[in-house]
Amino acid sequence: EVQLVESGGGLIQPGGSLRLSCAASGFTVSSNYMSWVRQAPGKGLEWVSVIYNSGTTYYADSVKGRFTISRDNSKNTLFLQMNSLRAEDTAVYYCARARYSGNAPLGYFDYWGQGTLLTVSS
Amino acid sequence: EIVMTQSPATLSVSPGERATLSCRASQSVSSHLAWYQQKPGQAPRLLIYDASTRATGIPARFSGSGSGTEFTLTISSLQSEDFAVYYCQQYNNWPETFGQGTKVEIK
Repeated sequence: EVQLVESGGGLIQPGGSLRLSCAASGFTVSSNYMSWVRQAPGKGLEWVSVIYNSGTTYYADSVKGRFTISRDNSKNTLFLQMNSLRAEDTAVYYCARARYSGNAPLGYFDYWGQGTLLTVSS
Repeated sequence: EIVMTQSPATLSVSPGERATLSCRASQSVSSHLAWYQQKPGQAPRLLIYDASTRATGIPARFSGSGSGTEFTLTISSLQSEDFAVYYCQQYNNWPETFGQGTKVEIK
């Protein structure tokens, strides 16, 4: 059974740093495309970052230069290092497995974790 | 980036009735469109991908159609567990983008 379990969220002051973790089971993180998607309170979904099985990474413009996605293959875990945090980064952060079908250049998300809440506030 | 617009924002439907949700893309996304269901306090759940393919375990009352810029999610006979927020997502152009959601509520 595929499972994704996020952790690491919390209350942090603006300008601070935090690292989110996403422990996966039932599949191998390093063999898949893995993403972070966030949802601000009462709002819609926003894609944040992806790491391909090759290790190539991409970021939304809103977090580029501040967030870093990575993985630990030995622990089958995905991470999101978040620096220079802003109030607008407040959201539930989900890790999700991305699937690419046929000739699609990008992916949809077939498995999601339960999310971890980040609150950026003084 | 491609803007996904969902309508209506809220849909009031009686159990057993049909629900039709719309999603429009600001430019063509071919058939690279997914639909998700999200209940309060839960993560989104994949319903449909490639515009019309049901994900594993999704009941047949959920169906998707469309291509290019106009897409539809139809729930043929609403069950109590179907009242939720539904999001569309395009994965044809970087970055992947989501619609703002349609809330399906009990009439």
